[in-house]
Amino acid sequence: ILNVEQSPQSLHVQEGDSTNFTCSFPSSNFYALHWYRWETAKSPEALFVMTLNGDEKKKGRISATLNTKEGYSYLYIKGSQPEDSATYLCAFRASNYQLIWGAGTKLIIKP
Amino acid sequence: GAVVSQHPSWVICKSGTSVKIECRSLDFQATTMFWYRQFPKQSLMLMATSNEGSKATYEQGVEKDKFLINHASLTLSTLTVTSAHPEDSSFYICSAKMGEGRPSYNEQFFGPGTRLTVL
Repeated sequence: ILNVEQSPQSLHVQEGDSTNFTCSFPSSNFYALHWYRWETAKSPEALFVMTLNGDEKKKGRISATLNTKEGYSYLYIKGSQPEDSATYLCAFRASNYQLIWGAGTKLIIKP
Repeated sequence: GAVVSQHPSWVICKSGTSVKIECRSLDFQATTMFWYRQFPKQSLMLMATSNEGSKATYEQGVEKDKFLINHASLTLSTLTVTSAHPEDSSFYICSAKMGEGRPSYNEQFFGPGTRLTVL
């Protein structure tokens, strides 16, 4: 059974601090790794699609790294702002295109 | 661009009744739509994949007679929970993909979800 784990489950961070969290996924049959940002009462919004081992992507203060050999991806947020409060989901796409979701990391930024 | 709406955003119904949830792609044609459900603190679980004009493909363990999916047009898919029971209470969310050849073909665009509570 393919499993995607995200840790921590939730995280409280002081405004202005930087933070990161993890997505662990199977190290075989890798096709792509997706990161989404899901604010309460809104639609999940795609952040990154990562396909190459060692890939690093950046969008403003948010960046992500990918290690397909060991099966993990980190999401980093630099200088957290209140608008960063959301649940961050990762999803592993296997080579058969099956998409497996993690349960998410809920990030709360304290002013 | 690439906006997906869902209606209703929440619904409360009595046990035994049926509930229809609509998923619409507002500014693009969605050849494929996906229906997920999510229990508290758990992952999104794919229920079914629907392609416009054809029958939906259901994931293992999802009863197709209970969760009726219709994808009659390129902008609308509906999920009907038939004879709903309290254990069907959950968060249902749809996503849509553009047709092949579009730049965002591999991306799923999500609706905001529907909270279903069955009393």
